[in-house]
Amino acid sequence: TQLLEQSPQFLSIQEGENLTVYCNSSSVFSSLQWYRQEPGEGPVLLVTVVTGGEVKKLKRLTFQFGDARKDSSLHITAAQPGDTGLYLCAGADTSGTYKYIFGTGTRLKVLA
Amino acid sequence: DVKVTQSSRYLVKRTGEKVFLECVQDMDHENMFWYRQDPGLGLRLIYFSYDVKMKEKGDIPEGYSVSREKKERFSLILESASTNQTSMYLCASKNGWRDEQFFGPGTRLTVL
Repeated sequence: TQLLEQSPQFLSIQEGENLTVYCNSSSVFSSLQWYRQEPGEGPVLLVTVVTGGEVKKLKRLTFQFGDARKDSSLHITAAQPGDTGLYLCAGADTSGTYKYIFGTGTRLKVLA
Repeated sequence: DVKVTQSSRYLVKRTGEKVFLECVQDMDHENMFWYRQDPGLGLRLIYFSYDVKMKEKGDIPEGYSVSREKKERFSLILESASTNQTSMYLCASKNGWRDEQFFGPGTRLTVL
């Protein structure tokens, strides 16, 4: 069974600080997605990474896919209160069953 | 923009009732999914559908059934609601060859 572990589970930081969220597995994924979910809403896609070692930037957010495609990280520079939310990673099951494995999430709170 | 809508944001039902949750997407996506989200457990796949009238069980299908009579609509049915089905239910859709899922806003179901 493929599993995705996210760390940390909770993070409370001051505005302007940097942070990194990790998404780790012992399994290989064909791609990995990052989503952000706000309270009472569904997850919203931030990015997809596909190639081992790939780095993608979305304004102050930097996403990296591990060389072996087993792990990923999300780095936020100069966090703002608007970054508050639940960050989820999801990996595409390589068995071709249309299934996606979701991490349990990192709940981020950025204090003004 | 892809839009995924769910029939209700909040529902309160009694134990034993039959419950219908509906999901509609407007982007002609082949694949549609139903997840439930519970604290500490992340998103768990209940059912997915890869075409009209086609469905596959996910990780936790017990107590649920689904219907997909039209491409844009995917319904989740709780045959006889139980208190352990109190949860946030999320519908998602995606294009057949891409991994990015687009989520609806969710239905928070409470079974009393």
